[in-house]
Amino acid sequence: QKEVEQDPGPLSVPEGAIVSLNCTYSNSAFQYFMWYRQYSRKGPELLMYTYSSGNKEDGRFTAQVDKSSKYISLFIRDSQPSDSATYLCAMSGGNYGQNFVFGPGTRLSVLP
Amino acid sequence: DTEVTQTPKHLVMGMTNKKSLKCEQHMGHRAMYWYKQKAKKPPELMFVYSYEKLSINESVPSRFSPECPNSSLLNLHLHALQPEDSALYLCASSQSQGLSDTQYFGPGTRLTVL
Repeated sequence: QKEVEQDPGPLSVPEGAIVSLNCTYSNSAFQYFMWYRQYSRKGPELLMYTYSSGNKEDGRFTAQVDKSSKYISLFIRDSQPSDSATYLCAMSGGNYGQNFVFGPGTRLSVLP
Repeated sequence: DTEVTQTPKHLVMGMTNKKSLKCEQHMGHRAMYWYKQKAKKPPELMFVYSYEKLSINESVPSRFSPECPNSSLLNLHLHALQPEDSALYLCASSQSQGLSDTQYFGPGTRLTVL
């Protein structure tokens, strides 16, 4: 079983839709949870950062963490064609070393 | 300033060449990272420097040699690479290595090995 799992997509939605992106993980030591957006041929861009369980909202983006279920989500409201990218979840907080792990990424296409 | 810069943006090299990739940040971060990313895959960690000391080497072949001359700079020296080493090489930095390690990425260097 991979440490972090994420539906690879591609996920296609119409403009204005609410998008739900999800990751599951197996390591209960993870404490910090991030979502990155990566456009084609560019480096990842940090979107959201949350610590432990709970919700965090920033504009059209909401991140949710449920540590009891080992499940994190990113919601995008009023999706725009410019949101078309690969979304990578990431998490850290393991017991030692570089405990930062990326999920495999979900490709999102928002159609005008 | 929340920017990580990388040079060059693109690099084409032969298998016998020696080249270097450079990364710079001025956010006062004390941890810096090199990742390799192949098309349609997530970044894979290569090296981590913490307080200018090599902290993690993820079993990377010796043809890749990292260097951290000071807290703002990170280099990756390349020698005798193989065509399968062609990829996007990403540099990142974070406040520290560990629990608060939200990483900020540079735009990457796209490397092609002929």
